[in-house]
Amino acid sequence: EIVLTQSPATLSLSPGERAILSCRASQSVRNDLAWYQQKPGQAPRLLIYDASNRATGIPARFSGSGSGTDFTLTISSLEPEDFAVYYCQQRSNWPPFTFGGGTKVEIK
Amino acid sequence: QLQLVESGGGVVQPGRSLRLSCAASGITFRASGFHWVRQTPGKGLEWLAFIWYDGSKRYYADSVKGRFTISRDDSRNTLYLQMDSLGDEDTAIYYCARDLQVGTLDYRGQGTLVTVSS
Repeated sequence: EIVLTQSPATLSLSPGERAILSCRASQSVRNDLAWYQQKPGQAPRLLIYDASNRATGIPARFSGSGSGTDFTLTISSLEPEDFAVYYCQQRSNWPPFTFGGGTKVEIK
Repeated sequence: QLQLVESGGGVVQPGRSLRLSCAASGITFRASGFHWVRQTPGKGLEWLAFIWYDGSKRYYADSVKGRFTISRDDSRNTLYLQMDSLGDEDTAIYYCARDLQVGTLDYRGQGTLVTVSS
């Protein structure tokens, strides 16, 4: 089973700042990695698939990069609605599909 | 616009069964594969099961294999999760999601809460 480790666990930033979130896989997942955003009381929302492709309707301030074992989600300039929990998930070696533990982006 | 509405959650005693439903609209249901995923405060997001678009293949997490069964009724545009031999560890919010490209998940519901308690 592929283990995904996200860091940091919590990121405290102000609106307008850049957020950089990391996801590391225990073995290569090629580019088969997605990022999701989750707000309280809501289901996760797909942001990025195949490491760097924005899902439909996702603003350009969200970008993903990386391949193999190291991946990054960057939010170029935080908007108030971006404060949430972010998860990475791999689909390279399955079953099972596995998720990271999440990074909470909170308002500083 | 895809909509997924999960239902069937509730409080159930250990060892008992429960069946969750996920009603889909806004898509060609029979052309899509679907997943069940659950979320707990302690274990985060956990993928549980995946059913192929035509129902020909089904995959399960080890934690639920042999206890949970994923199925679909294309005539009703509905996905199901039959959960047997429930234990405390199954307490969670359960989400269904459409499969976009074998393992990329499109969530559109609010989830349904299952609480296993005596």
